[in-house]
Amino acid sequence: KQEVTQIPAALSVPEGENLVLNCSFTDSAIYNLQWFRQDPGKGLTSLLLIQSSQREQTSGRLNASLDKSSGRSTLYIAASQPGDSATYLCAGGGTSYGKLTFGQGTILTVHP
Amino acid sequence: DGGITQSPKYLFRKEGQNVTLSCEQNLNHDAMYWYRQDPGQGLRLIYYSQIVNDFQKGDIAEGYSVSREKKESFPLTVTSAQKNPTAFYLCASSAGTVSEQFFGPGTRLTVL
Repeated sequence: KQEVTQIPAALSVPEGENLVLNCSFTDSAIYNLQWFRQDPGKGLTSLLLIQSSQREQTSGRLNASLDKSSGRSTLYIAASQPGDSATYLCAGGGTSYGKLTFGQGTILTVHP
Repeated sequence: DGGITQSPKYLFRKEGQNVTLSCEQNLNHDAMYWYRQDPGQGLRLIYYSQIVNDFQKGDIAEGYSVSREKKESFPLTVTSAQKNPTAFYLCASSAGTVSEQFFGPGTRLTVL
């Protein structure tokens, strides 16, 4: 059974800092790994999707990497801004029908 | 604009009542999903559908039912058999079962 863990549970940084969010998974036989952002009381916004054959994906100030052999993914946020404050969730896709197994999230606060 | 809509945003249920949550997408996606989010437990899969007129149970299907009569619609009924239905319900869709999943804004259900 796939288990996904995110560290740290919460992170507070000053504006402008570069930061890394970590995600680990127990079953390396994943189809893909997806990073999401969730604002309080809202749905999930997809940030990046990494297929199992890929090593990383980039979108603007965001870069996500995937290392299946070690069971790890990282989300790198460059030059953080207060608007980046949210909960960040990673989810591993490990079945043929698309089920995602979610971590419990990292709550990020970027203060001015 | 393409996207996923969920209604209502807030829903209140009396004990013993069945309630239905709506999920509609205009992304022309084949696959649709229902997840439940509880504080401290992450998101868990309730039901999924890979194609019209077909759906399968996820990890926590007891007390829930769904239908998929149209490609764009995947309503979820929370029955009186669901003993702890208070939660945030999220609907998602994807083009294929290993494709990026997109989420709706969610419905918050509260039992009175």
